[in-house]
Amino acid sequence: GAVVSQHPSRVICKSGTSVKIECRSLDFQATTMFWYRQFPKQSLMLMATSNEGSKATYEQGVEKDKFLINHASLTLSTLTVTSAHPEDSSFYICSARFQGTDTGELFFGEGSRLTVL
Amino acid sequence: GQNIDQPTEMTATEGAIVQINCTYQTSGFNGLFWYQQHAGEAPTFLSYNVLDGLEEKGRFSSFLSRSKGYSYLLLKELQMKDSASYLCAAMDSNYQLIWGAGTKLIIKP
Repeated sequence: GAVVSQHPSRVICKSGTSVKIECRSLDFQATTMFWYRQFPKQSLMLMATSNEGSKATYEQGVEKDKFLINHASLTLSTLTVTSAHPEDSSFYICSARFQGTDTGELFFGEGSRLTVL
Repeated sequence: GQNIDQPTEMTATEGAIVQINCTYQTSGFNGLFWYQQHAGEAPTFLSYNVLDGLEEKGRFSSFLSRSKGYSYLLLKELQMKDSASYLCAAMDSNYQLIWGAGTKLIIKP
């Protein structure tokens, strides 16, 4: 299957700093990437939909100025958690969908566990 | 509103068969996905159904009934490594995934 790579897998940062997470589709082009957050023992929560070359669409309740998403190319989307606080500690996962299909399967990155001290 | 229901937890015996059910209500429908998620890891894709019927893929099969808003994931010849959470997700008319909370499957020897 297709490969989506997410980096870093784990990051620990101090409160008030910013953290960038990268999501790359390694062997296919993805016009659409999704960013999710998962708190312990809860299901995935969609944060935003990232479309190549345009602004991301954020879900209700997600602060777009805090969670900056950039999808500058067909193979890379980045999520920057700005001025991180301990409540932002979570598991962040990206997924990508094949270009040219709206109902194709999603491929997930390995996830990034963020711990804010 | 949009809603996905699946059991919170199920227990089965190694070598046996287990069926995990999922019912959904969405605004429009563009398919039903099943994902497997081991603790601390990202979900991995198992199946996608958009037409009624059974899709078989090795030890795993997935069934869909659009008229009933119902799907199930069938796991045969259970192995200990199948212990995981199984997530059901329906895609609505805007191609957004509506996720269930997941079913934690416990396999006993």
